[in-house]
Amino acid sequence: DVKVTQSSRYLVKRTGEKVFLECVQDMDHENMFWYRQDPGLGLRLIYFSYDVKMKEKGDIPEGYSVSREKKERFSLILESASTNQTSMYLCASSFPEAPETQYFGPGTRLLVL
Amino acid sequence: AQKVTQAQTEISVVEKEDVTLDCVYETRDTTYYLFWYKQPPSGELVFLIRRNSFDEQNEISGRYSWNFQKSTSSFNFTITASQVVDSAVYFCALSPGMDSSYKLIFGSGTRLLVRP
Repeated sequence: DVKVTQSSRYLVKRTGEKVFLECVQDMDHENMFWYRQDPGLGLRLIYFSYDVKMKEKGDIPEGYSVSREKKERFSLILESASTNQTSMYLCASSFPEAPETQYFGPGTRLLVL
Repeated sequence: AQKVTQAQTEISVVEKEDVTLDCVYETRDTTYYLFWYKQPPSGELVFLIRRNSFDEQNEISGRYSWNFQKSTSSFNFTITASQVVDSAVYFCALSPGMDSSYKLIFGSGTRLLVRP
């Protein structure tokens, strides 16, 4: 079974704080993704990575950065959290043979005060 | 434009009823994939099905069935004899073309509530 884990289920941070969201997958997947989910908007892609140290912007990268130092770990960084980044964040990974079929972690619900 | 539309925001049914969740997509690509995911209250998206654009055969898996019609750009999902455990948010998604094969474009989701 594919296992994608995220470091926290719930986080509360203050405006201006630097926030790290961690994602780990145990299936040796090359591709990893970060999405945010907001009511009425579905999931929107923030960044994805197709290899260690490789990254590409998704549809809404502003205000975020990412880090992929090891294959199994993909971190999402909010350099200076703002209230409009309050959201559910979902990490996903996929097999290289079927990069479009993504497997998701449980999500981190972030509240920025 | 690449887009997925799930016009039904919320559906409520009584247990054992059949229910169909609609999904309409837009893409200019001839090669693409379509997906359905289930998000139960726990939050994790669960992969249900992947269908490629060249395969219009309908698929049945237990109580779940999918109807893919290219002519109407639709990929609808039917749950037969619904159960309370089917209560979740369901997302339809599109992976458009070979150049963007990493990307999934999601619809806004349909919340299904199955009442006992």
